[in-house]
Amino acid sequence: DTGVSQDPRHKITKRGQNVTFRCDPISEHNRLYWYRQTLGQGPEFLTYFQNEAQLEKSRLLSDRFSAERPKGSFSTLEIQRTEQGDSAMYLCASSQGQATGYTFGSGTRLTVV
Amino acid sequence: AQSVTQLDSQVPVFEEAPVELRCNYSSSVSVYLFWYVQYPNQGLQLLLKYLSGSTLVKGINGFEAEFNKSQTSFHLRKPSVHISDTAEYFCAVSETSGTYKYIFGTGTRLKVLA
Repeated sequence: DTGVSQDPRHKITKRGQNVTFRCDPISEHNRLYWYRQTLGQGPEFLTYFQNEAQLEKSRLLSDRFSAERPKGSFSTLEIQRTEQGDSAMYLCASSQGQATGYTFGSGTRLTVV
Repeated sequence: AQSVTQLDSQVPVFEEAPVELRCNYSSSVSVYLFWYVQYPNQGLQLLLKYLSGSTLVKGINGFEAEFNKSQTSFHLRKPSVHISDTAEYFCAVSETSGTYKYIFGTGTRLKVLA
């Protein structure tokens, strides 16, 4: 069990560019979540996958955001035409049912300049 | 819909003193409750969880929390803190079915003073 891995750890991008983040969950976990955390705030739910199916998306997830989880393994979160307001920590978490709670990755910190 | 309120944004406490971090929640359905800790530039680590049963829950690093349904609270306590407990602490709630997505509070920054 190597935990939840996120790549990259840090990303600095110019406004208007596209960025993609990757999350590798714990291999036996079928549930995967993306959260966004801004400074001084708790994490906010973005989207949820059960296996490869994206079952819920937050209203925070505008049309510029898209997430995938092909084959129910790793997941990617893409942000198109980044804006300064997208600057945040993007956290991925996985679980194998509610009783265990989530395991979070270390996050990807995005800075849009 | 659920919501979580952490009334204290910052809590300073001297080393070896007891501490309580407060969490209140609102929900029209049954919930599960969690406390997570976040160290700088890291993800969140599960401290403890309440799913059902005994209302006093013990977690890692000597922390415990008590679920109070009538007061809709889930306060986190530690009888004697260490410098290494300095971190951000988040309370979270989730429904007991469906997506199990978490609703987090805004966090409490615990600063342990020497």
